[in-house]
Amino acid sequence: AQSVTQPDIHITVSEGASLELRCNYSYGATPYLFWYVQSPGQGLQLLLKYFSGDTLVQGIKGFEAEFKRSQSSFNLRKPSVHWSDAAEYFCAVGPREYGNKLVFGAGTILRVKS
Amino acid sequence: DGGITQSPKYLFRKEGQNVTLSCEQNLNHDAMYWYRQDPGQGLRLIYYSQIVNDFQKGDIAEGYSVSREKKESFPLTVTSAQKNPTAFYLCASSYGQEGEKLFFGSGTQLSVL
Repeated sequence: AQSVTQPDIHITVSEGASLELRCNYSYGATPYLFWYVQSPGQGLQLLLKYFSGDTLVQGIKGFEAEFKRSQSSFNLRKPSVHWSDAAEYFCAVGPREYGNKLVFGAGTILRVKS
Repeated sequence: DGGITQSPKYLFRKEGQNVTLSCEQNLNHDAMYWYRQDPGQGLRLIYYSQIVNDFQKGDIAEGYSVSREKKESFPLTVTSAQKNPTAFYLCASSYGQEGEKLFFGSGTQLSVL
């Protein structure tokens, strides 16, 4: 069965510091890969997604993610974190078939110190 | 503006009571989904529907029921058989094509009195 692991439950970084959130997946083939962000009490917003091609994907709000097939990873990065980035981040995988059912990781809560 | 509307924002259930969560979308999406979110567990799929009058169970369908009589609407009923209903419920939609992003509503927090 497909699964997604986000090893870090909480991460705290200082404003202006760089950020990396880890995501590993288990799946029989290369799935579609996503990062979503959620503010407290709200729905999820898509940050970026990987389908194929260039393994470094650019998203909104200055985020990027790199797909590494050999490591089954899709880590999210940002070179300089802003206080408004404090939120919960979810990695998700989707099968390459009609229906678009996503499997989500448990999430990583990002805190930003001023 | 197009989007997904979930109501109510907060809902309380008494023991033995069924409650229904509303989800409406005006994005003309074919596919709709219900996810349950518990702290530290991410989102888990309850039910999904790829077309009107058809729906399938997700990973945690026991104690829940849905209907899809209209393209725009996908209500979720939390029945008395669901013994641990307290959670944040998220509705989402998409055109249903593979690899497509999901659009999410702002959620309903359900609590047990």
